[in-house]
Amino acid sequence: GAVVSQHPSRVICKSGTSVKIECRSLDFQATTMFWYRQFPKQSLMLMATSNEGSKATYEQGVEKDKFLINHASLTLSTLTVTSAHPEDSSFYICSATGQKQETQYFGPGTRLLVL
Amino acid sequence: RKEVEQDPGPFNVPEGATVAFNCTYSNSASQSFFWYRQDCRKEPKLLMSVYSSGNEDGRFTAQLNRASQYISLLIRDSKLSDSATYLCVVNTANDYKLSFGAGTTVTVRA
Repeated sequence: GAVVSQHPSRVICKSGTSVKIECRSLDFQATTMFWYRQFPKQSLMLMATSNEGSKATYEQGVEKDKFLINHASLTLSTLTVTSAHPEDSSFYICSATGQKQETQYFGPGTRLLVL
Repeated sequence: RKEVEQDPGPFNVPEGATVAFNCTYSNSASQSFFWYRQDCRKEPKLLMSVYSSGNEDGRFTAQLNRASQYISLLIRDSKLSDSATYLCVVNTANDYKLSFGAGTTVTVRA
């Protein structure tokens, strides 16, 4: 199946710093990428949908100025958590779909801990 | 009301047992249904899609009941490696967004 990578796999940072997470589709062109967040023992919550070359669409309650998403190419989307705070600590997962958009392929996730 | 609801479990079963659990969804316009498996601290992985007529993949059987708005997953002859959290996933709109349940935890013991 298709492969999606994420980097870094885990990050620990101080409160107030910004953290950038990369999501790459390795063997296919991802026309759409999704960013999710998962808190312990909870379901994945969709944060935003990004299409290559256009602005991301954010879900209700997700601050677009805090979670900056860039989908500059068909193989790369980035999520930047700006001025991270302890409550932003979570498991961030991206997924990607190709042109047919039949299946979402998930990245391995990034575990963020903000101290 | 949550879009997708699941019994969190845990379901603790011995090896070789059969375990089954359901998930309900709130939007009658939901179109596509899936079961994903998520291991501890890992990303979800597609286990199987769920079709209207029900479908089977080896030891796993999925059923869809549109009238009652639930889907089910049955695991036969459980293996230790089946221990995981099973996520019920529903696609409602035509925009390929997925709604996830919180998961049902299954633990298979030797």
